[in-house]
Amino acid sequence: KAGVTQTPRYLIKTRGQQVTLSCSPISGHRSVSWYQQTPGQGLQFLFEYFSETQRNKGNFPGRFSGRQFSNSRSEMNVSTLELGDSALYLCASFGGTGQETQYFGPGTRLLVL
Amino acid sequence: GQQLNQSPQSMFIQEGEDVSMNCTSSSIFNTWLWYKQDPGEGPVLLIALYKAGELTSNGRLTAQFGITRKDSFLNISASIPSDVGIYFCAGLRGNKLVFGAGTILRVKS
Repeated sequence: KAGVTQTPRYLIKTRGQQVTLSCSPISGHRSVSWYQQTPGQGLQFLFEYFSETQRNKGNFPGRFSGRQFSNSRSEMNVSTLELGDSALYLCASFGGTGQETQYFGPGTRLLVL
Repeated sequence: GQQLNQSPQSMFIQEGEDVSMNCTSSSIFNTWLWYKQDPGEGPVLLIALYKAGELTSNGRLTAQFGITRKDSFLNISASIPSDVGIYFCAGLRGNKLVFGAGTILRVKS
């Protein structure tokens, strides 16, 4: 079974631009969660999608949004990028009985200049 | 954002030594998880703990779920060079994972 895939792996943007990141979960998994990882703040939960509906949301501004498609693939969008948005964005999918079977993708490293 | 208190922040140990790290929280969790992250990769689940007091092993790794449900520790026995990486604890509350800040493990061969 293929693992969680994320595209692109690396991205450079400038302040004010917007960016869309993509995540394909493990086949058969219906839930996708997004996390932001920075050296200073560690791994912070962004949101979780299940069956195309946002089920949970972390404490991030409205510039961060996401969606999930009928094939469970998910996208995350950040508008009006700020320097502080530079981070590794991780996607995780699960299809078991709970979050404990969560599998992470390799991440998208975003650099905002 | 909320994080668990994970210590130590980093460790530099001799190959063959045992390693111990822990996480504490002011809140109760129903599940504790330990992940390892290698450079350029996402975190990989090492051990999951579901019951207070539970002690679980995975090869050279052993983890325990504290009886108060507010802490957990991870031990690595006889460390080897490939153990280098960042180790994260995580607590599950509802459907959200709350992570510790990570322990950076460096092994001197």
